[in-house]
Amino acid sequence: GDSVTQMEGPVTLSEEAFLTINCTYTATGYPSLFWYVQYPGEGLQLLLKATKADDKGSNKGFEATYRKETTSFHLEKGSVQVSDSAVYFCALNLGGGADGLTFGKGTHLIIQP
Amino acid sequence: ETGVTQSPTHLIKTRGQQVTLRCSSQSGHNTVSWYQQALGQGPQFIFQYYREEENGRGNFPPRFSGLQFPNYSSELNVNALELDDSALYLCASSLLGDSSYEQYFGPGTRLTVT
Repeated sequence: GDSVTQMEGPVTLSEEAFLTINCTYTATGYPSLFWYVQYPGEGLQLLLKATKADDKGSNKGFEATYRKETTSFHLEKGSVQVSDSAVYFCALNLGGGADGLTFGKGTHLIIQP
Repeated sequence: ETGVTQSPTHLIKTRGQQVTLRCSSQSGHNTVSWYQQALGQGPQFIFQYYREEENGRGNFPPRFSGLQFPNYSSELNVNALELDDSALYLCASSLLGDSSYEQYFGPGTRLTVT
C-alpha cells in the first residue's frame, strides 16, 4: 500500500540554522504531496503542497520539490526561527481524495535561541 | 470565512461506552474526512463523506461510523469503546473536484478511554 517515511525526531537546531527534513514515499500512482505543521495543542495546518513531478511548493520560507525519480519531497528552510518549533508531517494523496491523506509519523523540530 | 470547528475539545469515556464527535466544515466545502491521531503518531484516515454518503474508508472496523448532514456538518460515532481508541480525532474539510486535494483541519477532539 501507499506509505510515507520521514526522518525520526526530535531534530534540534539553533536559530538561523539550515533545516532539512527528509520525506520519501511509496505509491502506486502519481500522488499529490503535502507538508503539514502541527503546533502544540493545535490541529494540522497545510504548509505547502505539490501536485506533479518537479513542482516546488513554498510558504513562509519553507520549500519542497516533488522528485519523482527519487520519490522524495524533502522540506527545507534556509534560516529557522524559534517560532518554527513544531511537529512536521509529510503526506500524500492519490486518486482525487477518496482514500484520504496518508501521513508519515511526523518529525518534531526544536529550535533553540 | 469560517474555519473547521470541532466539539467537544476533550472527552473522557469508559471502555464499552459509545461516543459522538462533531465537526462543522469550512464554508464552501462539500467533503469531510475524519482522522485518528494516536500520541506521537501521524493521523490515520478513518473515512470520508461526500453528499451525505461514505465515499472512502481506511482500515477501521465498522464500530467507527459517521454521518454528514445537508449543511456539510458531520459526526463521528464510535461504539464499544476500547482503550486503544484513546487519541486525538481530527476532522478535515475539502472541496471534491479540487485537483490539489487541499484539506483544512479542525483543532481536534481529545478522547480518553479509561
